[in-house]
Amino acid sequence: SFELTQPPSVSVSPGQTASISCSGDKLGDKYACWYQQKPGQSPVMVIYQDSKRPSGIPERFSGSNSGNTATLTISGTQAMDEADYYCQAWDSSTLWVFGGGTKLTVL
Amino acid sequence: EVQLLESGGGLVQPGGSLRLSCAASGFTFSNYAMTWVRQAPGKELEWVSTISGSGGSTYYADSVKGRFTISRDNSKNTLYLQMSSLRAEETAVYYCAKETRGGYANHYFDYWGQGTLVTVSS
Repeated sequence: SFELTQPPSVSVSPGQTASISCSGDKLGDKYACWYQQKPGQSPVMVIYQDSKRPSGIPERFSGSNSGNTATLTISGTQAMDEADYYCQAWDSSTLWVFGGGTKLTVL
Repeated sequence: EVQLLESGGGLVQPGGSLRLSCAASGFTFSNYAMTWVRQAPGKELEWVSTISGSGGSTYYADSVKGRFTISRDNSKNTLYLQMSSLRAEETAVYYCAKETRGGYANHYFDYWGQGTLVTVSS
């Protein structure tokens, strides 16, 4: 079955760039998207179709996907970006798949 | 404005049944597939089930196949999840989500409800 693997945690200083990876077999051949979830809140999509930002999502959020890894990048990270981030993809055999999530800490 | 409002959660005994509902507004409901995603306390998101816009196609995670049934009433703009033979480990917040498809294998959830808590315990 298709699986997505994320690091459990990533730390970043305010104003710096945070990168969160998501790995899966030939993930670059699929489409990846990313969700942000703050404590007690529902997930919010921040990137879809590998690198597109929905309306209302700040430009500091960007995404890429190549080979076996998709990456969510947050430039100029702010304290408000502290949250859990989940990648997600669709696979023809496993169907909808989420990564295990990454807790982003802004120190 | 897209709104998704779940209801029907609560306390149920192991082996029991429960039906969740998700009332949708702000978009043409019948044009979109809809999905249930759950999240156990402190755990990751888990896809549960998806139904096509017409209701003619349904998909289930292996963990719930045969016990859960997804359905929709497009005349009422409402999504349902009938859950039976519930287990303690299925205690979770259940979210409904609107799915958008940008092409083959390009499936993503652009709107989520606030979730409804299901607690399976004796």
